[in-house]
Amino acid sequence: DTAVSQTPKYLVTQMGNDKSIKCEQNLGHDTMYWYKQDSKKFLKIMFSYNNKELIINETVPNRFSPKSPDKAHLNLHINSLELGDSAVYFCASSHRVPSGNTIYFGEGSWLTVV
Amino acid sequence: SQQGEEDPQALSIQEGENATMNCSYKTSINNLQWYRQNSGRGLVHLILIRSNEREKHSGRLRVTLDTSKKSSSLLITASRAADTASYFCAPYGGATNKLIFGTGTLLAVQP
Repeated sequence: DTAVSQTPKYLVTQMGNDKSIKCEQNLGHDTMYWYKQDSKKFLKIMFSYNNKELIINETVPNRFSPKSPDKAHLNLHINSLELGDSAVYFCASSHRVPSGNTIYFGEGSWLTVV
Repeated sequence: SQQGEEDPQALSIQEGENATMNCSYKTSINNLQWYRQNSGRGLVHLILIRSNEREKHSGRLRVTLDTSKKSSSLLITASRAADTASYFCAPYGGATNKLIFGTGTLLAVQP
C-alpha cells in the first residue's frame, strides 16, 4: 500500500498556466510537507501543515498556494507558471515535530514548464 | 543554518568496497537523520542518530556523530550495485519543525 501518494507524477505545461498537484497520506500522520528539488538535487522545504494549520511557510512566491482540506491531504496549487518552476515537487508527512520520527516522502511530481 | 552539507558531492567505488560519506552542520542538534534517494524516486529514511549517541548500526550501515565537531559520517560496508543512489543528511535542531536537506552525495557502485 502506498503511504504517501501524489498525482500527477509527470506534468508538462505552458508558461502562464495554473496547475495543481495532489497529495494524500494513509499513515495517520498529522504533519505534511511540500519540498521542491531543483536540477542540482537541492531539496528545499516550501510548506508544512499540522492538522490543517500552516506552520512553515518558507520564502516562496505567492503564486504557490497550499491547501489542506484535512490532515491526510495537502495539495499544491501553482498560478501563472514560470519556466523557473520546473522541478520535482515532493510531498511528505510525519508525526508532529520529527524529533524522533521519520519523514515519509512521496515519489515526486515532475513539473516541466515550457 | 540548520542545513547539512554532504561531502564528497560524488563518490564512485567498486562493488564490495566500503563507502564513506560525511556531513557537516553548524547549529546544535537534537538528532541527525540520513536518507537515500534512488534515481527518479522519493527520499527514504535510513537511520536516525540522537545527539547523545556516538555510533549507530543498521545492517550494513554505520553512522557516527561527533557533536563537538558538528559532523556525522555514514559508512556503507560491502557495497552493492543497488546502493547506487544519492545520500542526504538532515540535522534536526528542534527549534523548528523542519528538516533541511543539502544536495547530497551521489554514490555510484560499479558492478
